[in-house]
This record gives sequence, structure tokens and C-alpha cells, in this order.
Amino acid sequence: DIQMTQSPSSLSASVGDRVTITCRASQSISNYLNWYQQKPGKAPKLLIYAASSLQSDVPSRFSGSGSGTDFTLTITSLLPEDFAIYFCQQSYSTPTFGGGTKVVIK
Amino acid sequence: QVQLQESGPGLVKPSETLSLTCTVSGASINTYYWSWIRQPPGKGLEWIGYIFYSGSTNYNPSLRSRVTISEDTSQNQFSLRLRSVTAADTAMYYCARYSGTLPGFFDYWGQGTLVTVSS
Repeated sequence: DIQMTQSPSSLSASVGDRVTITCRASQSISNYLNWYQQKPGKAPKLLIYAASSLQSDVPSRFSGSGSGTDFTLTITSLLPEDFAIYFCQQSYSTPTFGGGTKVVIK
Repeated sequence: QVQLQESGPGLVKPSETLSLTCTVSGASINTYYWSWIRQPPGKGLEWIGYIFYSGSTNYNPSLRSRVTISEDTSQNQFSLRLRSVTAADTAMYYCARYSGTLPGFFDYWGQGTLVTVSS
């Protein structure tokens, strides 16, 4: 299995802040990395696929970058609806997820 | 619009078999890959397995000995069976569509169903 490690596990931020979340793979996964947002009581929602491609209907304040083993999800100018848990997932081999990053209000 | 809906018992006794069904609308299960994912309370996501191409399957190695995913194309449904459950199998279970071909991603999800393993 390819292990996915996210950091930080939790962060506090204010509305309007720029937020960066990191995901590291235990081996190179090219750009086969996706990001999801999960709000309480809801299923995860796909935000970014193939490391940097924005899923349709996802706001442009979300962006992704990286390749190989290191990836980032950036949210520019955080909005109240962005407080949630974010997961990365690799698709280079059988799918595995990162442990999640909880974004909370400062 | 693709929609998925899980159904099945919310309570299963230890050592018994967990059985869930996912009903798909807006897409045929003869295309794409159709997956089960679970999330223990307060924890992360674990891929269980998927079914694709008229019955081919792939499972998480850690669950392979206990899992079967099957399909009913006439009903546009696919199902999960997890045998010999323990309290560690208590989780929210989601069905989801997986794009299959690279880059593989889960783009449509059901709302999830909570399954508790308890006597």
C-alpha cells in the first residue's frame, strides 16, 4: 500500500486567510493525487483531481499543486463555508487516503 | 445527475455478516467503477473495494478475506458483504463512483449509512 501523510492534522485560521495543506506519499505517485472536502454529517466532495485540476463547480480559491511525492492544497481567502476536513487520496495504485486536515475557526 | 443511495441494516451483531446495497440513478453501473468506502466515527477514510466491467472486482488487501462486492445490473445496484464483523467494523459506509481510468477519483458519493456492530 502507498501511505499518504497529511500535515498538519489540524489548523486554525480566520476568514480571509490563505491556507496551505500538505500531503506526502510514501513513494512517487506522479500526479495521481486528489483532494476532497468533508463537512460534518456529509459525504466527501471532490475538489481537485490529478493534483491540480479543479473539479467542475468548485470555486477558484481552491488550487492544488505538486507531483511525485509532495503535494499541496491551497485555499486563498478562506470563507466561512470552507471550515471542514480535507483529505488527499492517491490513485497511482489501489486507492488510499490521507488522515485528514481539520480547518477550524481561529 | 448521478445519485447513489445506500441501504441496509444499521445494526449488525459481532461475527455476523454486514450487507449493504447501493442504488444508482443517472448512470449505468455497466460503465465506470463502483466502490465502497468506510469511515469509522471521528476517523479517516478507508477504501473497501470496487466492482467494474461486468463483475470484475478489486479489494483492499486488508479486508480481502472478508469482503465480497457484487452487482445486479437489472436493478442498477451493487452490494457489499463483509463477513465476521467486529466492533472495529463500526463505521459510516459510503458507496461512490470511481472514475477508474487514471487519474482515478471518486466523483459521486452516496450520503452514507452508519453501521454499528454490537450485540
